[in-house]
Amino acid sequence: GQNIDQPTEMTATEGAIVQINCTYQTSGFNGLFWYQQHAGEAPTFLSYNVLDGLEEKGRFSSFLSRSKGYSYLLLKELQMKDSASYLCAVSGVEWGGGNKLTFGTGTQLKVEL
Amino acid sequence: NAGVTQTPKFRILKIGQSMTLQCTQDMNHNYMYWYRQDPGMGLKLIYYSVGAGITDKGEVPNGYNVSRSTTEDFPLRLELAAPSQTSVYFCASSTLAGGADTQYFGPGTRLTVL
Repeated sequence: GQNIDQPTEMTATEGAIVQINCTYQTSGFNGLFWYQQHAGEAPTFLSYNVLDGLEEKGRFSSFLSRSKGYSYLLLKELQMKDSASYLCAVSGVEWGGGNKLTFGTGTQLKVEL
Repeated sequence: NAGVTQTPKFRILKIGQSMTLQCTQDMNHNYMYWYRQDPGMGLKLIYYSVGAGITDKGEVPNGYNVSRSTTEDFPLRLELAAPSQTSVYFCASSTLAGGADTQYFGPGTRLTVL
């Protein structure tokens, strides 16, 4: 099975940098996703890591260490619109195709002035 | 492309009623998924499909049924609705087996069972 842990809430200041951690224990691993979900909306894709290291996409970066079962999402130059829930999801190859994701409960980020 | 669309957006059901949540995607994706999201909880997989005519159970399938007669459509059926099925339901689709095939989500259906 899969177990994913991430902090429930975080608060940060506009313009600052915030790091959201995710640890996981899985019986199979085929990559780790980060999704952003604004209140009342659908999750939207942010990043994907399958190899160890850092993936950078503009203000957002994601890091993966497979040996430690650990990932983080780094948000730079925070903006008020970044206030949202950030979902860590692990892909496990437990069946014959598709990308079966197990989601963490999400980290609610609040950006303040 | 409209992406993934879901209807209805909101619905209130009485205990014991049944309904079908509709999901359609126009991206020609093979893989489709149904999730439910309870307040403060992560998304839980209900059912998934790897192509027309092929479906399988996810983590929380009890009380639900699905069918996949076309690539585009993946309806979710609730029979004998119960208060425990009050949730937000998301449909998603993706295109490849394994790897970085990103799942695209519909806007969700907010269901209340009273």
